[in-house]
Formats: sequence, structure tokens, C-alpha cells
Amino acid sequence: AQSVTQPDIHITVSEGASLELRCNYSYGATPYLFWYVQSPGQGLQLLLKYFSGDTLVQGIKGFEAEFKRSQSSFNLRKPSVHWSDAAEYFCAVGETGFQKLVFGTGTRLLVSP
Amino acid sequence: DTAVSQTPKYLVTQMGNDKSIKCEQNLGHDTMYWYKQDSKKFLKIMFSYNNKELIINETVPNRFSPKSPDKAHLNLHINSLELGDSAVYFCASSQDRGGGETQYFGPGTRLLVL
Repeated sequence: AQSVTQPDIHITVSEGASLELRCNYSYGATPYLFWYVQSPGQGLQLLLKYFSGDTLVQGIKGFEAEFKRSQSSFNLRKPSVHWSDAAEYFCAVGETGFQKLVFGTGTRLLVSP
Repeated sequence: DTAVSQTPKYLVTQMGNDKSIKCEQNLGHDTMYWYKQDSKKFLKIMFSYNNKELIINETVPNRFSPKSPDKAHLNLHINSLELGDSAVYFCASSQDRGGGETQYFGPGTRLLVL
């Protein structure tokens, strides 16, 4: 069965600094990979997704993620963090032929002034 | 216009009660889901429906019963509520079934069982 690991529970970044959130997955075939963001008290919003092709994926709000098959990773990056980026970030994997998403445990991003 | 809406947004109730959460999507999607987010923010799928047909039932207690009257609605009824049912319940929808489909989430229903 597929699984997702987000090793960082919390990350604090200064406003304007760069950000990288880690995600590792376990899946036998090429996975479908997603990053979602959850602001406090809100639902989940899709930031970006990877199916195939270019391993560097661009998303909304200036985020990007890179799929690295050799490392089973799909890390999320942003070159300059804004205070409004403070939220919970979830990495998820979707399995071919199935509808469910399997989520990681999330990483809470705190942005300091 | 809200794409995926849920009612109520908050639900506080006593143990043993029966409650329902409603979900509606106006995206014209064929597939809908219920997820549970626990106190540690862990998200886990409970059910999925495709064209009103139950596709996924992830070892959820049978006190939970989803009902899909049409493709745009997926309701969740919970009998005999227990303390451990306290969580945030998210409804989601996608265009089609398949692991690669983007799922669009509702705002969540925060259930507190006392």
C-alpha cells in the first residue's frame, strides 16, 4: 500500500526567506503526487500536482515542487515566503485506478517577521 | 459561488445522538468523498461515491452511513455518536474516478461530541 511521509511537523521560516517542505512517498509504480494547503479553519486547496513528464511542477501562489524518482521525494519549494503562507501543508499520493488520496501527516509552516 | 459546500460548519452534540452532515458540489463532478481529519490533523478517507455508487469504504464503523441522493450530493449520517467521532469531516469531489484526479475540498464540518 502506498504511504506518504512528511518528516517535519513544524517549520519556521523568516518572511522573505526560501522554503522547502519535504515529502517522501512509498509506491510501486509512478505515483500521482499532490500538495495541498490548509489555512486555519479552512478546507484544503490544491497547490500543484504531478502526473508525468517534467519533474519540476509549477503551482499557484509561487510554489513549485520537484519529483525525484530515485529519492522517492516530491519536495515543495518557494523562493520567498510571505506571512500569508503560514498554514498546514499536506503532501498526498493517488494510486492508479483508485480514487482515494493518501495523505502525509502534514507540516505546519510558521512565518516569522 | 462555493464549489463544494458543507452544512453545518460546526456541530456540537451529546454522546449517543444521531447527526447528519450534508455536502453539495456544483462542479458537475461524478465522484464525491468523505475524509476525516483527527485532532493531530491526520486526514484519512472514509468513503467515496462515483455516480451515486459506493466505491470505497475504508473500514469505517457501520454507525457511519453515507447517502448519495444524486451526483451533486453526498451526505454523512452518524448514529450513536461517540467521543472518538470528534473530528473535522471534509467532503470532496473530483471530475472522475482515478488516482490522478484533482479533488476539491469543502470547508469542513467541525464535530464535537460531548
